[in-house]
Amino acid sequence: AQRVTQPEKLLSVFKGAPVELKCNYSYSGSPELFWYVQYSRQRLQLLLRHISRESIKGFTADLNKGETSFHLKKPFAQEEDSAMYYCALRGSNYQLIWGAGTKLIIKP
Amino acid sequence: KAGVTQTPRYLIKTRGQQVTLSCSPISGHRSVSWYQQTPGQGLQFLFEYFSETQRNKGNFPGRFSGRQFSNSRSEMNVSTLELGDSALYLCASSGTGTFSGEQYFGPGTRLTVT
Repeated sequence: AQRVTQPEKLLSVFKGAPVELKCNYSYSGSPELFWYVQYSRQRLQLLLRHISRESIKGFTADLNKGETSFHLKKPFAQEEDSAMYYCALRGSNYQLIWGAGTKLIIKP
Repeated sequence: KAGVTQTPRYLIKTRGQQVTLSCSPISGHRSVSWYQQTPGQGLQFLFEYFSETQRNKGNFPGRFSGRQFSNSRSEMNVSTLELGDSALYLCASSGTGTFSGEQYFGPGTRLTVT
């Protein structure tokens, strides 16, 4: 089965604290994973892809095939990071398979 | 490049009516996907089109249909609207070739069914 699990519906951390948004996947084969973000009143947009191994807005995500995870991390949270974050897996049949999303709230 | 556009942005319909939503992808993009977004269910995949062909369809009833035109613009239609169809409908385009997980989203059409 192809599945993406984001176990936390809501994550609240203080500004300056580290952030880790969890994502676990189920996929037979070589996965292609993404993090998307939706800021308030803005459209859903790609944050980063595991194949590019880049850091965007201070966020990084490492694919761990052993733990089938693709957690999103940032060492020091900023208030502007408050948003809805979705983990997605490129499925085998022309679709993205989405997690349920995690709402991140950064407290001042 | 202009982004993905969706029209109309807001719609209010009555139960039993039908509705057509439109999506114009980024120029050069040939894949268009449609999603339903609700607070309770999150993002639910509706269907994906490439070069006027539906390549995949999600688990929605036959009341939900779509099509894609030769210029890659896409429409989705919902017939016999139900209250539960109230949602934000998102369109996303990607790639000049085969399906890509890197999708570019439109602002969505907010459909309210009364």
